[in-house]
Parts: sequence; C-alpha cells; structure tokens
Amino acid sequence: EDQVTQSPEALRLQEGESSSLNCSYTVSGLRGLFWYRQDPGKGPEFLFTLYSAGEEKEKERLKATLTKKESFLHITAPKPEDSATYLCAVQIVSNTGKLIFGQGTTLQVKP
Amino acid sequence: NAGVTQTPKFQVLKTGQSMTLQCAQDMNHEYMSWYRQDPGMGLRLIHYSVGAGITDQGEVPNGYNVSRSTTEDFPLRLLSAAPSQTSVYFCASSYRREGYGYTFGSGTRLTVV
Repeated sequence: EDQVTQSPEALRLQEGESSSLNCSYTVSGLRGLFWYRQDPGKGPEFLFTLYSAGEEKEKERLKATLTKKESFLHITAPKPEDSATYLCAVQIVSNTGKLIFGQGTTLQVKP
Repeated sequence: NAGVTQTPKFQVLKTGQSMTLQCAQDMNHEYMSWYRQDPGMGLRLIHYSVGAGITDQGEVPNGYNVSRSTTEDFPLRLLSAAPSQTSVYFCASSYRREGYGYTFGSGTRLTVV
C-alpha cells in the first residue's frame, strides 16, 4: 500500500535553532515528491518538487533533499514567520495524478 | 493573476440539503482536482479532471459530483449532505496531471448539521 509518514508531528524551535523535518514514503512508483507549507485557515502553498534520489532544492531558509526512501526539509536559522504546518506529498505513476499526503509537521518557532 | 478562487469560504448545511462549491482558476491549467482535509486523515482526493469535458473519481467520491464545462471552472456538488461530509474542501490545479506542483485555493469550511 502506498504510504507517506511525516515526523515529528509537532516541533518547537527557538529562533535561529536549525532542524530537519522527515518524510518517509513507501510507494509503487514515484513520479515526484512535493513539499507544501500550510498556514492556519489557508490552502497549502507549494514549496518544492523533487523527482529523483540525490536531488536538492533550496528556497531562503529551506532546503529539501530526497533519497529512495525519504525526504528531509532542513530549516536553517528559522524565524517566527516560518511557523506553519509543512506537508509532504508523493505523486505515484498513475492515471489520476493523485497526491498522497502525509499528516504534516506543525512547526512553531519562538522568538 | 488570482490563481485558484474558491467560494464560499464557510457554509453550514442541514442534513439532506444540496449545494455547489465553486472553483475557478485563471492560469490555463489543464488539471483540476478536489481534496478534502480531515483531522487525522490528511488530504484525500475526491474527483479530478484532466481537461474540459473529462472528469473521473478519486479516492473518496461517494456523495459528490463534478463537471468541467470550461478549462477555468470545476464545481463540486454535494447531492444530499451528510454529517460525514463536514470537512475543509480544497480545489487545486496544475499545468499537467503529473510532475507539476499544484496550486491550491484557500478552501471552503463546510459543516453539516
């Protein structure tokens, strides 16, 4: 069964304290892995797409990496405005284009 | 460039009522989809469309209908609302079915009493 698991469920950091969020996946055929940011009461906002193991993408304080079994979202020197829920989603090779989402990691960055 | 626009933002229905959630995108995206987000269940695909006139079922389609008469619009119809359909609904669009990041709308929070 295709599955995506994110850890931890919640993460509290002090401003400037770097950390990583994990997304592990078990799928039949990976088309792409996506990271989204979701603020309370809003829709997910696209951050990155990773297509193959070894690939890395960066945006400001965020860096996403991909292996054959998991992806990491590294947050360097976070600021309070980075507080949000981060969602990982996998797209498998299929007719539907469906994204299989993890449960998300809720990040709180305290000043 | 508005992106993906969903209306209404909030709605309360009585069991058995019907309604339509509206979704429009102005990015000329071929692929559009509807997801529902529930605590502990994550986001799940309801219906999707790969182009005007073409729709198909996703993971949780029961109780919902869709149509796609234009590239821009993809409404979701609840036929006879049930409390189990209380959820937050998101419309998302993408340039193509696979390999591209989705753009999500801001969501409709639906409560069925």
